[in-house]
Amino acid sequence: EIVMTQSPATLSVSPGERVTLSCRASQSVNTNLAWYHQKPGQAPRVLIYGASSRATGIPARFSGSGSGTEFTLTISSMQSEDFGVYYCQHYHDWPRVRFGQGTRLEI
Amino acid sequence: EVQVVESGGGLVKPGGSLRLSCVASGFTFNIYTMNWVRQAPGKGLEWVSSISSSGNYVYYADSVEGRFTISRDTAKKSLYLQMNSLRADDTAVYYCARDPGYYGSETYYHYFGMDVWGQGTTVTVSS
Repeated sequence: EIVMTQSPATLSVSPGERVTLSCRASQSVNTNLAWYHQKPGQAPRVLIYGASSRATGIPARFSGSGSGTEFTLTISSMQSEDFGVYYCQHYHDWPRVRFGQGTRLEI
Repeated sequence: EVQVVESGGGLVKPGGSLRLSCVASGFTFNIYTMNWVRQAPGKGLEWVSSISSSGNYVYYADSVEGRFTISRDTAKKSLYLQMNSLRADDTAVYYCARDPGYYGSETYYHYFGMDVWGQGTTVTVSS
């Protein structure tokens, strides 16, 4: 079982700030890594797949990088609608996917 | 509009059963792998189960294997999750989610994340 660990658990940010979130896999998942954003009371929304490909309709301020066990999601300029919880998800054992515990972005 | 709508949640006693439903609209339901993902109160996301587009292949998380059964009805454009022997730790919001990926070869699956999610249905297991 590949375990995903996200850091930090919570991050206080300001609008306009550049934000970097981390996700580590307990063993290599190559680039089989996706990122999701969930706002309070809403379903998650996929942002990134293949570690670095933006999903349809996702703004260019979101970018992903990494491979193997270390991954990063970067928001180049934080917007008000970007607050909430971010989850990484590996699909190395698709369809048995596994999510990280999440990173909460707050003001 | 492409959407999925879950229903069937509620309050059930430990050991009880519940059947969740998810109705799809706005897309060709029978060509997509579908999933159930749950989220316990204040917790993160947990994949529960997947079913292939044909319905021939089903997969479960270890935490629900042997207790939950996923199924689909193409004619009704519906996904189901039969949940038996429910426990307190099954309490969660249950989401239905579409997987738009496809096989590019016999062994390589192109995955794009789960791109359509419902609003969720709440299951509470308590005496």
